[in-house]
Amino acid sequence: NAGVTQTPKFQVLKTGQSMTLQCAQDMNHEYMSWYRQDPGMGLRLIHYSVGAGITDQGEVPNGYNVSRSTTEDFPLRLLSAAPSQTSVYFCASGDRGHRQFFGPGTRLTVL
Amino acid sequence: AQSVTQLGSHVSVSEGALVLLRCNYSSSVPPYLFWYVQYPNQGLQLLLKYTTGATLVKGINGFEAEFKKSETSFHLTKPSAHMSDAAEYFCGISQGGSEKLVFGKGMKLTVNP
Repeated sequence: NAGVTQTPKFQVLKTGQSMTLQCAQDMNHEYMSWYRQDPGMGLRLIHYSVGAGITDQGEVPNGYNVSRSTTEDFPLRLLSAAPSQTSVYFCASGDRGHRQFFGPGTRLTVL
Repeated sequence: AQSVTQLGSHVSVSEGALVLLRCNYSSSVPPYLFWYVQYPNQGLQLLLKYTTGATLVKGINGFEAEFKKSETSFHLTKPSAHMSDAAEYFCGISQGGSEKLVFGKGMKLTVNP
């Protein structure tokens, strides 16, 4: 099992550009989520999904879109990147025992 | 809405000393509580969790935590710190039955030789 994979590992964008952060899991977990990690702020929940076709907002959803067309994939889209979105992004999937498994992260810089 | 508070951002202990990382929670319904650890440049790993039942929970790497409803606390302890315990530790909470997990701001643990 690869677990939770994220691509790319690093990305630099210019303000106003769009991009998609990819997240995939091979554990057949229904629950998936996206967090951003910023110094002194911990991890903040952006969006989450309890199954294919179902998504909901977390604590800091503005500026981000998600969709869940399959159980395996949960991409995070930035439609118009802003410097405030410079962060490390983590994707996670959760099993029925309430354990969450995290990917290695994507480090995003917006200039 | 539920939340957790980790007071302070950094704690330093000597190798072999007790590790105590504090976490207090706020929840209007019975919570599920978690501790995760993050080593440098990695994602988070589950240390332990409390859902129901025994209030003293044992996790990996010799860590344990006790759920105290009267004190709304879920402090993490380890009797003897090891250099390899140096990492950032996050307390998390979810509402019982929901997988939606919210974290505290984290606590960076330094272990001095």
